[in-house]
Amino acid sequence: DTAVSQTPKYLVTQMGNDKSIKCEQNLGHDTMYWYKQDSKKFLKIMFSYNNKELIINETVPNRFSPKSPDKAHLNLHINSLELGDSAVYFCASSQGVEKLFFGSGTQLSVL
Amino acid sequence: GQSLEQPSEVTAVEGAIVQMNCTYQTSGFYGLSWYQQHDGGAPTFLSYNALDGLEETGRFSSFLSRSDSYGYLLLQELQMKDSASYFCAYFGNEKLTFGTGTRLTIIP
Repeated sequence: DTAVSQTPKYLVTQMGNDKSIKCEQNLGHDTMYWYKQDSKKFLKIMFSYNNKELIINETVPNRFSPKSPDKAHLNLHINSLELGDSAVYFCASSQGVEKLFFGSGTQLSVL
Repeated sequence: GQSLEQPSEVTAVEGAIVQMNCTYQTSGFYGLSWYQQHDGGAPTFLSYNALDGLEETGRFSSFLSRSDSYGYLLLQELQMKDSASYFCAYFGNEKLTFGTGTRLTIIP
């Protein structure tokens, strides 16, 4: 029973393409997040949603569009992919702010 | 600005004790969390300090001093499986901000 699951685990695509990453949590948490981890392992928040409402949009290019159809799902759509988008993207959820549960990550490689 | 600084690398011997430090600078602060991440894996929660002092969970302990804007994670009885990256993170301004991370290498 995976608590936070995201798909796909690996995503290899060409520059300019559009891709989506899906995330689902079965923990009953109200808040979900997208984090980006770069090659230096720096983890940076991109978005957070609380009960389907956008709370944080951390100056992410508008090519990135999160969508939360319900509080258990938070998907990330990326338009016109660029080389610099290559990274690992983690979905996470929490009830309190101190303890996040992370998905296994999506390794995105833009060629 | 808001930032958390951690030493980039630490090496320690199996069976020993290691302390990994975290200093932070932020305008709003509610507490300090610690996460472990193995290569190729996801960050997993280890510990949280809302108040000054020491929190102990098995072989892991975490300390916070708000007056010094400083915290540390202490690992005892080190095992090879403890080789991983360790991140401190603080909650403030409605988000969890992560530090730069310390890569811990355990040697026999």
